[in-house]
Amino acid sequence: AQSVTQPDIHITVSEGASLELRCNYSYGATPYLFWYVQSPGQGLQLLLKYFSGDTLVQGIKGFEAEFKRSQSSFNLRKPSVHWSDAAEYFCAVGGSGNTPLVFGKGTRLSVIA
Amino acid sequence: NAGVTQTPKFQVLKTGQSMTLQCAQDMNHEYMSWYRQDPGMGLRLIHYSVGAGITDQGEVPNGYNVSRSTTEDFPLRLLSAAPSQTSVYFCASRPMGQKNSPLHFGNGTRLTVT
Repeated sequence: AQSVTQPDIHITVSEGASLELRCNYSYGATPYLFWYVQSPGQGLQLLLKYFSGDTLVQGIKGFEAEFKRSQSSFNLRKPSVHWSDAAEYFCAVGGSGNTPLVFGKGTRLSVIA
Repeated sequence: NAGVTQTPKFQVLKTGQSMTLQCAQDMNHEYMSWYRQDPGMGLRLIHYSVGAGITDQGEVPNGYNVSRSTTEDFPLRLLSAAPSQTSVYFCASRPMGQKNSPLHFGNGTRLTVT
């Protein structure tokens, strides 16, 4: 069965510092991987997605993620965090066709001055 | 386009009451799904549908019913609400013809059962 692990429940970074949020997945076939962001009281917004090809994918708001098949990881990065990036971030894995998306438990990001 | 619309935004129920959470999308998406979000638990799939007349259970289906009579609508029914169903509920949809399209989410319904 597919699953997603986000090891960090809560991360605090200083504004302007770099960020890496970890995501490990378990999936029997070729995975399709997503990162979503949720601001307080809002729905989820897609940051980026990986299906195939280049293992480094660029997303919105200056985020990128790297797919590493050997490590079953899809970590999210941003070189310089802004206060507006404070939110909860979810990694998700799915397959083709009808396969539902499975989400990790999320990582809450706090940004301090 | 409105995207995915969920109503109501907030609801308070007493234990044993019933209600329906509405979800509508205007993007002609075949796939629709319901998730619940609880602190520290992420999003857990309740039910999903791959088209009108077709529904299937997700990870946490107990206590919830769904039906899909049209492409646009995918209501979630609580027949007898319990405090354990206090949660934030999200409806999400995606097209199935476009390979591996991401889910589009509604803004959620915050449900409290007392």
